[in-house]
This record gives sequence, C-alpha cells and structure tokens, in this order.
Amino acid sequence: SQQGEEDPQALSIQEGENATMNCSYKTSINNLQWYRQNSGRGLVHLILIRSNEREKHSGRLRVTLDTSKKSSSLLITASRAADTASYFCATARGGSARQLTFGSGTQLTVLP
Amino acid sequence: EAGVVQSPRYKIIEKKQPVAFWCNPISGHNTLYWYRQNLGQGPELLIRYENEEAVDDSQLPKDRFSAERLKGVDSTLKIQPAELGDSAVYLCASSQLRTDEAFFGQGTRLTVV
Repeated sequence: SQQGEEDPQALSIQEGENATMNCSYKTSINNLQWYRQNSGRGLVHLILIRSNEREKHSGRLRVTLDTSKKSSSLLITASRAADTASYFCATARGGSARQLTFGSGTQLTVLP
Repeated sequence: EAGVVQSPRYKIIEKKQPVAFWCNPISGHNTLYWYRQNLGQGPELLIRYENEEAVDDSQLPKDRFSAERLKGVDSTLKIQPAELGDSAVYLCASSQLRTDEAFFGQGTRLTVV
C-alpha cells in the first residue's frame, strides 16, 4: 500500500518557472525523502528532511515538512527542461531506508 | 563507483512461463531491496534483505515469487509461473545499514503476454 500521496498527479510548466509538488502521508515518520525518476530509469535520491526539521534546501530544491498536517512540499526553482521526470515522496518510519514507503508520484513536464 | 546493476533491462514472456531477474548491489551495501512498480505508480516493496537474511518479505506473493541472496551480495528474484498481472518494472535497490538513502538500479521491465 502507498503511504504518501502526491499532488498534483501531473504538472506542466514553462522553463524558468517554479514547480511545487505536495505529498501527504498517514502515519508518523522518522524522515521523508524525495526521489526523481526519469522515464525508463531507476529512482535517484534528491533530498531528505527529518521529522524534527521544517525546511531544507539543496541547490534549486526546497523541501518543507509539516508533521502536524502530515504533509511535505517540494519546490524546484527556475525549472529546466532536464527537470522533466516523475517525482516521488517516500516516508521512512524507522531510522533508515529500510522502511521506505513511496507515494504514487507527480509527473512534471518542463516545456522549453 | 558502479551503481546497482540489474539484468535484463527488458523481458517479454508468455503467461505461465518462469522468469528471473538478477541484481548486483553497490559494493559494501548490506541491505538489498526488491520493489515492483506498476505503471503510473510508486514502487512497492516486495522483499528486503539484510546480508543474506530476508527480514521483510510480507508483501512477496509466495505462491509464485521467490528470491534469494546467496553470500549476501547478488540477488535473484524469480516468478514461476508468471501471470498477466505481473507485468511491471522490477527495481532493485541497496543501502548501507542504518543509512537513510536507497540507491536504485535501472530496473527490469517485464511484459507478460
């Protein structure tokens, strides 16, 4: 079963715009991670935020976490065509990748 | 450093036939996972190994699926017999014990006809 649910399911923007994806989950977590998957490829880890953190940055990525609402958002600033991919949130109940549960993903399309 | 290697990349088989997937994790990674990803969905865990021990196989359909990780390195996932509903991408991932990030292979896309 999927723990996280991403919103929207699909997002199409112009190059240079910002993209925001949201993730909601159901149970308490140790950390929440975001992964990217290019078409026909495996998943690549992007960023991790722990349950005691509220915001984290990595390059053009900004992640927020609201444990009271059981939700997270991923912001990609100044998007590029190469950012076109599916983005998944994954929640970890334990203190490691051992108990990762993935959401259903957001398909992001960045138009040149 | 090589990443997680999976083979084959693609496999097409007729229903009721057997199929096997192979995974070589990143060197030194004790934990190995097999996930199944249906079209338009996120990955779902089938089985997790710590070294050679299967520590979580609650989502593995044991009537037709089997897995092994001999010597705690490479792993094989087998389906026998395959059904039409088994068509999916099978992803292998690995991580170090007590670390937070999983590294994924490119997956095997299985089509059962």
